[in-house]
Amino acid sequence: AIRMTQSPSSLSASTGDRVTITCRASQGISSYLAWYQQKPGKAPKLLIYAASTLQSGVPSRFSGSGSGTDFTLTISCLQSEDFATYYCQQYYSYPRTFGQGTKLEIK
Amino acid sequence: EVQLVESGGGLVQPGGSLRLSCAASGFMFTSHWMNWVRQAPGKGLEWVANIKQDGSEKYYVDSVKGRFTISRDNAKNSLYLQMNSLRAEDTAVYYCARDDSIVGVPLDFWGQGTLVTVSS
Repeated sequence: AIRMTQSPSSLSASTGDRVTITCRASQGISSYLAWYQQKPGKAPKLLIYAASTLQSGVPSRFSGSGSGTDFTLTISCLQSEDFATYYCQQYYSYPRTFGQGTKLEIK
Repeated sequence: EVQLVESGGGLVQPGGSLRLSCAASGFMFTSHWMNWVRQAPGKGLEWVANIKQDGSEKYYVDSVKGRFTISRDNAKNSLYLQMNSLRAEDTAVYYCARDDSIVGVPLDFWGQGTLVTVSS
């Protein structure tokens, strides 16, 4: 199975900050990478797929980049509603695998 | 409006069985791969299984192979997960999620989840 490693595992930031989360795959996955946001007690929400394509309805302050093994999720200007846990997931091969998650907390 | 509603969770003893259901509405169910994803309490997400539109292809994470079976009834717009030989480590919230197979987008809609607790 392809292992997905996110960093950092947790991150403290303030409203208005720019933050970047990275995700590394243990082998090449082309651009078959998605990012999800999850708030406590809620189902995850798809933010980005194909490494850099914004899902419909997701604010443009979210962006993704990368291909092969290294990927990033950037939030350009943090809003209060962005404090949540973020997961990357590869869908290049089975089993699909998630990163361990990055918890974004208010500083 | 796309809706996915899971049911069937509950408390079960180790070694027991449980069948989860997911009722889909608001979209053409027969056009989409469907998935189960789980989340143990306080832990991250784990993809469990998925099934092709016509049920002809199914994939599983290794930890559930031989114990869990994914299926679907397209006439009822429903997805199922039959879970046998349950273990404590299967305790989790189980989510049903759709792939937008038409445009190649993974897990674009999720249900609210159903909690499975395996304990004696």
